[in-house]
Amino acid sequence: EAGVTQFPSHSVIEKGQTVTLRCDPISGHDNLYWYRRVMGKEIKFLLHFVKESKQDESGMPNNRFLAERTGGTYSTLKVQPAELEDSGVYFCASSQQGRPNYGYTFGSGTRLTVV
Amino acid sequence: DQQVKQNSPSLSVQEGRISILNCDYTNSMFDYFLWYKKYPAEGPTFLISISSIKDKNEDGRFTVFLNKSAKHLSLHIVPSQPGDSAVYFCAASDQETSQGGKLIFGQGTELSVKP
Repeated sequence: EAGVTQFPSHSVIEKGQTVTLRCDPISGHDNLYWYRRVMGKEIKFLLHFVKESKQDESGMPNNRFLAERTGGTYSTLKVQPAELEDSGVYFCASSQQGRPNYGYTFGSGTRLTVV
Repeated sequence: DQQVKQNSPSLSVQEGRISILNCDYTNSMFDYFLWYKKYPAEGPTFLISISSIKDKNEDGRFTVFLNKSAKHLSLHIVPSQPGDSAVYFCAASDQETSQGGKLIFGQGTELSVKP
């Protein structure tokens, strides 16, 4: 099966600009997650979708971040306007309901650099 | 407040010897624990997991031990191989990932296995 795909792999934008990250989960996976790793630190949870519904968005840093998952397939994470502290690697992951204890499958991430 | 801690940022081991990676957690509500391996420019890859009803889980060269009273888990790799060189993340959740469990990650330990 195809893995979790993220676009773009790298993005360099100026402070104040807008960036949209995209994630295509594994087909059939209802759970979709966004995580972020900043400055080589721990990987932090941002939010969780079940199909098209936001189940938990407690990790979203502020209202400059907007995530959507229209139709319950791919998801986008928009940062508007971007700030310097938003730089980091954004990971998307998906998991299948009813398949216990196999963990998530992560994508390769989008490295965002805000200059 | 770091709920999952990996206090060793790096570990160097000789090929063929045992690698022991440690992880401590503070939240007694955590019931599921996972280890992920991450190569540069790739997303984390699920390695092995354990639930709180067990104290050991083994998969080939990888064994995870859980000590609930000490809130401590460890990953043993025997024998270590150069291809095991990567960053290892410990993660914990209060819910199975297939049920939408949110993962709390440690900071990671960079393992280097020398030939």
